[in-house]
Amino acid sequence: QVQLVESGGGVVQPGRSLRLSCAASGFTFSSYGMHWVRQAPGKGLEWVALMSYDETNKYYGDSVKGRFTISRDNSKNTLYLQMDSLRAADTAVYYCVKAPDYDPYLFEYWGQGTLVTVSS
Amino acid sequence: DIQMTQSPSSLSAFVGDRVTITCRASQGISNSLAWYQQEPGKAPKFLLYAASRLESGVPPRFSGSGSGTHYTLTISRLQPEDFATYYCQQYYSTPLTFGGGTKVEIK
Repeated sequence: QVQLVESGGGVVQPGRSLRLSCAASGFTFSSYGMHWVRQAPGKGLEWVALMSYDETNKYYGDSVKGRFTISRDNSKNTLYLQMDSLRAADTAVYYCVKAPDYDPYLFEYWGQGTLVTVSS
Repeated sequence: DIQMTQSPSSLSAFVGDRVTITCRASQGISNSLAWYQQEPGKAPKFLLYAASRLESGVPPRFSGSGSGTHYTLTISRLQPEDFATYYCQQYYSTPLTFGGGTKVEIK
């Protein structure tokens, strides 16, 4: 079955960087678009970034554009999110999400999330 | 960016009730609308896409409808496991955006 396991979260000071990882298993990772979606404590869902299955296309939400970078290593079945210039407003649970085969802009399977806290 | 507005933000209902949640887009999204369910402390679960197509394994008591800018999610007979927060999402254009959520609570 599909498994997505996020790691790399923690407490970081404003302005610093952090890299999240998502280890995928149970499906052919290189064939699917992958997303990061976040949820601030007690708040709703916010889409962060999408990377196409073949790494040719990347899309970002407005609030992270220019600061976050999504990438993937299909040989390692791993998705990454490099987060630079972090702000308090970036504090959230970050979910790694697999898209379905019929549309890369949907969120089919979700990991359990990793918490990022930006605080001095 | 397309703004998604859900209503109500919360509701209380009995087991067995019929419940309807509304989602409005700030512009037409041509049925590019999905719904997700999130139980407390858990990751969201994918329910429906293309406004009315049920994801595999989702119980048929869930249904979706709508067109243009106005969409609805209906739960025909609320079950104990349906008490959760529901989110709509448009995938007509990036940035992909969600509604603010509707919390369904037990009355």
